[in-house]
Amino acid sequence: AQSVTQLGSHVSVSEGALVLLRCNYSSSVPPYLFWYVQYPNQGLQLLLKYTTGATLVKGINGFEAEFKKSETSFHLTKPSAHMSDAAEYFCAVRANNNNDMRFGAGTRLTVKP
Amino acid sequence: DAGVIQSPRHEVTEMGQEVTLRCKPISGHNSLFWYRQTMMRGLELLIYFNNNVPIDDSGMPEDRFSAKMPNASFSTLKIQPSEPRDSAVYFCASSRKAGGYTFGSGTRLTVV
Repeated sequence: AQSVTQLGSHVSVSEGALVLLRCNYSSSVPPYLFWYVQYPNQGLQLLLKYTTGATLVKGINGFEAEFKKSETSFHLTKPSAHMSDAAEYFCAVRANNNNDMRFGAGTRLTVKP
Repeated sequence: DAGVIQSPRHEVTEMGQEVTLRCKPISGHNSLFWYRQTMMRGLELLIYFNNNVPIDDSGMPEDRFSAKMPNASFSTLKIQPSEPRDSAVYFCASSRKAGGYTFGSGTRLTVV
């Protein structure tokens, strides 16, 4: 079975600072990995995904994530935070042979002016 | 593409009443998922369907909850009878095989 752990339920950064949201996964088969963002009173929106190939994946809004198999990690980064990045972020994993996706508990990102 | 469409957006009902939540997945997506989101428990997978067939309903909390997918373009999640602890945001999502999920905007259910 797959699972993800997001380190830090709340992260606060200043506008313009680096954003780093941590995610570690567990999977017995090669994983597909995802980051989603949820703005208040909205559904989850896909930011980026890793399935196969290049381990550094770029997503929307300037975010990117790197799949590191040796560390079982898929951390989300953005070089310079913007006020509009304030939201909840979810890491998710699914096995490459089924459709069952498991979500982390989420990390709430606050961006200070 | 209109995305995943859920209705209603908000539902307020009295304890003991039946509640039906509706979802229209994206055309061509062969999998459909129902999630519940609360502050205490986060996102919980309730049930998912592949090609209209329920695959895993182990997340359905009790027999009061039931879900159907009579065709590829429609699914319902029913709670009967509803209880205050069922208050949550219920999300429907759909996907193609190996793809990411596309979520609907959710139904905020309040049971008083």
